[in-house]
Amino acid sequence: SQTIHQWPATLVQPVGSPLSLECTVEGTSNPNLYWYRQAAGRGLQLLFYSVGIGQISSEVPQNLSASRPQDRQFILSSKKLLLSDSGFYLCAWTVGTGYGYTFGSGTRLTVV
Amino acid sequence: ILNVEQSPQSLHVQEGDSTNFTCSFPSSNFYALHWYRWETAKSPEALFVMTLNGDEKKKGRISATLNTKEGYSYLYIKGSQPEDSATYLCAPLRNYGQNFVFGPGTRLSVLP
Repeated sequence: SQTIHQWPATLVQPVGSPLSLECTVEGTSNPNLYWYRQAAGRGLQLLFYSVGIGQISSEVPQNLSASRPQDRQFILSSKKLLLSDSGFYLCAWTVGTGYGYTFGSGTRLTVV
Repeated sequence: ILNVEQSPQSLHVQEGDSTNFTCSFPSSNFYALHWYRWETAKSPEALFVMTLNGDEKKKGRISATLNTKEGYSYLYIKGSQPEDSATYLCAPLRNYGQNFVFGPGTRLSVLP
């Protein structure tokens, strides 16, 4: 069966520090992968998606970046965190367009 | 950007009450719509995938309808239970190949 792992679960980082959140999927090949963020009081915002290794599309310009070094690995990064980067980050995968998403357990990021 | 609205933003009901909420979206170029349930401290969980005008889906006490011509979907919960307390998200997809856009959600609290 397919599973999705996301870590860490919580993270407190100072402003200006780097960030690396990792997401891996098991039990499937060539999934579509997504990073979403929920800022306080707001809905889920799509940050990045990937349809294949090395293929990254950005939905919202910001100081975050994403990479997909392996088929089932998706990494969200930042070189220097801002206070506004605080939020709840969710990784998700799907087999293709139109199919339901399976979400990871999320990372609560607090930038202080 | 696809404008997705959900109403009400939040509601409180008594255990045993039936309730419903609305997802509104632009009707042009509709492809699919998903409903998710997001419980506190958990990941969003897919409830329904809806594609055809007039679709009705049911899972236990929860059901959903879809009107693609007028651009709305209703989610119904019959005989609400405390375990139904969650945020319910809708996510329409416009055009194959694009990404789902999540609404802001309806936060439901069922009081025992």
